[in-house]
Amino acid sequence: EDQVTQSPEALRLQEGESSSLNCSYTVSGLRGLFWYRQDPGKGPEFLFTLYSAGEEKEKERLKATLTKKESFLHITAPKPEDSATYLCAVQAKSGNTPLVFGKGTRLSVIA
Amino acid sequence: SAVISQKPSRDICQRGTSLTIQCQVDSQVTMMFWYRQQPGQSLTLIATANQGSEATYESGFVIDKFPISRPNLTFSTLTVSNMSPEDSSIYLCSVGGASGGAGANVLTFGAGSRLTVL
Repeated sequence: EDQVTQSPEALRLQEGESSSLNCSYTVSGLRGLFWYRQDPGKGPEFLFTLYSAGEEKEKERLKATLTKKESFLHITAPKPEDSATYLCAVQAKSGNTPLVFGKGTRLSVIA
Repeated sequence: SAVISQKPSRDICQRGTSLTIQCQVDSQVTMMFWYRQQPGQSLTLIATANQGSEATYESGFVIDKFPISRPNLTFSTLTVSNMSPEDSSIYLCSVGGASGGAGANVLTFGAGSRLTVL
């Protein structure tokens, strides 16, 4: 069974204090690993897709990396507007399988 | 990417009643997906709605409890029937599209409908 575990559940950072969020996964052949951002009262917003170990993608202060067992979302010099819940999801290669989501990491950045 | 409108955005419902959530997309899409997001839990797929055919339900979800309509390529509804407090959750509509790499399914979500059942 495909599974996604995210840690920590919640993270509180000072503005400018860099850190990383972890997404550990087990999947029967990875088609893609996804990162989403979700603000309160809104639906998840797509950030990145990673396909194979060693791949990295960046967007502003965010950088996502992928290994065969986990993905990291690195946040460099975060700002209060980066406060949100970050969701990780995986999609298996077999058939048209649905995405399996983790429970998310709730990030708070304090000015 | 597609723009999705959901309504209601929130509602408070009485036990035993039913509520229908509407999802409107600004472009034609083949598949629409309905998700549930319970407090402290993962986003969970309820069903996939294809236009012109019966919805496909995931394990643990049944048509009698969550009937879905898909009358055209831009609209779908999800009904939560005979509600109990355990149905209190956020329900999200989404549409997918290949990201361009390996056919991975990048989803776009609506803002969600927050239901509270008393």
